[in-house]
Amino acid sequence: GAVVSQHPSRVICKSGTSVKIECRSLDFQATTMFWYRQFPKKSLMLMATSNEGSKATYEQGVEKDKFLINHASLTLSTLTVTSAHPEDSSFYICSAWTSGTYEQYFGPGTRLTVT
Amino acid sequence: GNSVTQMEGPVTLSEEAFLTINCTYTATGYPSLFWYVQYPGEGLQLLLKATKADDKGSNKGFEATYRKETTSFHLEKGSVQVSDSAVYFCALSVPDYGNKLVFGAGTILRVKS
Repeated sequence: GAVVSQHPSRVICKSGTSVKIECRSLDFQATTMFWYRQFPKKSLMLMATSNEGSKATYEQGVEKDKFLINHASLTLSTLTVTSAHPEDSSFYICSAWTSGTYEQYFGPGTRLTVT
Repeated sequence: GNSVTQMEGPVTLSEEAFLTINCTYTATGYPSLFWYVQYPGEGLQLLLKATKADDKGSNKGFEATYRKETTSFHLEKGSVQVSDSAVYFCALSVPDYGNKLVFGAGTILRVKS
């Protein structure tokens, strides 16, 4: 149980385009989903917290107009990187939190490369 | 504030060696403590956790004890295997911090046969 999927696992896009990453909790309802960014050989940086049906809360320094987060249901959150640039290339990881276990369950991550 | 400090790596060990990865924390409330493992190219998996002082979390031969007096949660394993090679993250969560996880920098473990 407690499986979180992300799609796509890898994506390459051209500079200036937008890309959407989906995060789904497959067998539980997630009250809250978190989006992280991980740079090579670095720890995870929390980008934003999203609650179903409400606007995401962004961490300091994260551009909300660039990283659009939608949490349309208790099992789906999406992160859209708008007008992507090479510096946005990174590993993006989502997690889903459930009040059932008070734990976060992590997706496998999405490798974004902007050319 | 809330923060986690863990020993920098990489840590390189021979198979069957004893492993310790140190982790200390500061927290504004009463935290839950976690160890996550990340295998190459994958997301994070919860390895073990402890939610109150003196609790010992254990899984797959790894264990860590929540030490409130020393604000530590060191990860140990008696005999590592090559398959344990991964990045290990210590983390905490404080209830009044929106259930967010605060991660340490991660420690790369390399086990040689």
